[in-house]
Amino acid sequence: GAGVSQSPSNKVTEKGKDVELRCDPISGHTALYWYRQRLGQGLEFLIYFQGNSAPDKSGLPSDRFSAERTGESVSTLTIQRTQQEDSAVYLCASSSPRIGGGSPLHFGNGTRLTVT
Amino acid sequence: QQQVKQSPQSLIVQKGGISIINCAYENTAFDYFPWYQQFPGKGPALLIAIRPDVSEKKEGRFTISFNKSAKQFSLHIMDSQPGDSATYFCAASMYGAAGNKLTFGGGTRVLVKP
Repeated sequence: GAGVSQSPSNKVTEKGKDVELRCDPISGHTALYWYRQRLGQGLEFLIYFQGNSAPDKSGLPSDRFSAERTGESVSTLTIQRTQQEDSAVYLCASSSPRIGGGSPLHFGNGTRLTVT
Repeated sequence: QQQVKQSPQSLIVQKGGISIINCAYENTAFDYFPWYQQFPGKGPALLIAIRPDVSEKKEGRFTISFNKSAKQFSLHIMDSQPGDSATYFCAASMYGAAGNKLTFGGGTRVLVKP
């Protein structure tokens, strides 16, 4: 079946511009996560959506970052007034709730964002 | 605050050798410890996971060892193959929490030489 799809795969933008990154989760997965991966580093949690519950925004680094999700489908991550330090790979993952917990995250291939 | 520390950052091993990656965590509420494997240009994929009720879990050539008192866990790759060359991430979360918000280590780049 189809995996997590992210678009665009690459995005080059000028400093100060806004960007929108899109994530299509696996059908039926109620949980959706955004992570940021800077070059050569680990994954940094940004935001988590679970069904119709309020999202966990605890990882968003500044108010320039926001994300939305419509129901249990597509999510968009928006970065306003981009800065060079925003350059990274933005990874989206989805998961299906498992009784007891520990449901594996299924990641997309990410969007590589370069801010010039 | 780096809640999951991973070492080494990189390692080179000969084909057939053993790769060992170590992680340490700080948050005692963590009770689910997966390892993810990432190839260049791809997203990470779940490799193997362990919970604190066991000290070791083996799946094929991959083994997790867990030391609850030391708050440490490690991944051993036996009979390493060139196809195992990838970046490996340890992670931790609270198993029973809603969702599975993972805290990741910094990653280890493994190169297996033929």
